[in-house]
Amino acid sequence: DSGVTQTPKHLITATGQRVTLRCSPRSGDLSVYWYQQSLDQGLQFLIHYYNGEERAKGNILERFSAQQFPDLHSELNLSSLELGDSALYFCASSTYPGNSPLHFGNGTRLTVT
Amino acid sequence: AQTVTQSQPEMSVQEAETVTLSCTYDTSESDYYLFWYKQPPSRQMILVIRQEAYKQQNATENRFSVNFQKAAKSFSLKISDSQLGDAAMYFCAYRALPTGTASKLTFGTGTRLQVTL
Repeated sequence: DSGVTQTPKHLITATGQRVTLRCSPRSGDLSVYWYQQSLDQGLQFLIHYYNGEERAKGNILERFSAQQFPDLHSELNLSSLELGDSALYFCASSTYPGNSPLHFGNGTRLTVT
Repeated sequence: AQTVTQSQPEMSVQEAETVTLSCTYDTSESDYYLFWYKQPPSRQMILVIRQEAYKQQNATENRFSVNFQKAAKSFSLKISDSQLGDAAMYFCAYRALPTGTASKLTFGTGTRLQVTL
């Protein structure tokens, strides 16, 4: 158990809809990262938050947004969903310094129909 | 931008044998971190091993070891005495030295390892 909790595990929704994915980092971790993994692909970095502030953005679509709250949990909001957004979305957390590995949650599998 | 390349989409090894997975990366930094993650069919991401670039000694974790060649920007993973439970997708990842806050991991495309009897 990595200590990172992601909810829900599975999500099935229709095109055009909006969903929210939730992540609770490991106790004490201030950094939260979101990654997208499409079928049989590698992990693509979406966004990084540190202690409530956005620190880095990857190839995140404008339809996607995220935030980290004062209790350090994070939410990833996906709107105007398209079929191509179907993927496994991972949240990971880490401590500083940077040689600490990222600890991943079990992911949320999003299916857009 | 840093890139990570895994040139072997699939590998196969017999149980109890040894297999080496390749990884190369591109960076202009002199200090950084490298990781191998395992993703079994359950899709969890599990840390296998890590290496700090400033350390010349190759990291070892039980049956897993790395061959880190800094000048060649190569970071291969060796799995000894392979077991059926080692069957998974393996991802190589690079992490730059953080400036102020921890930085993201950049992943390769993965190598799918099959373990046969």
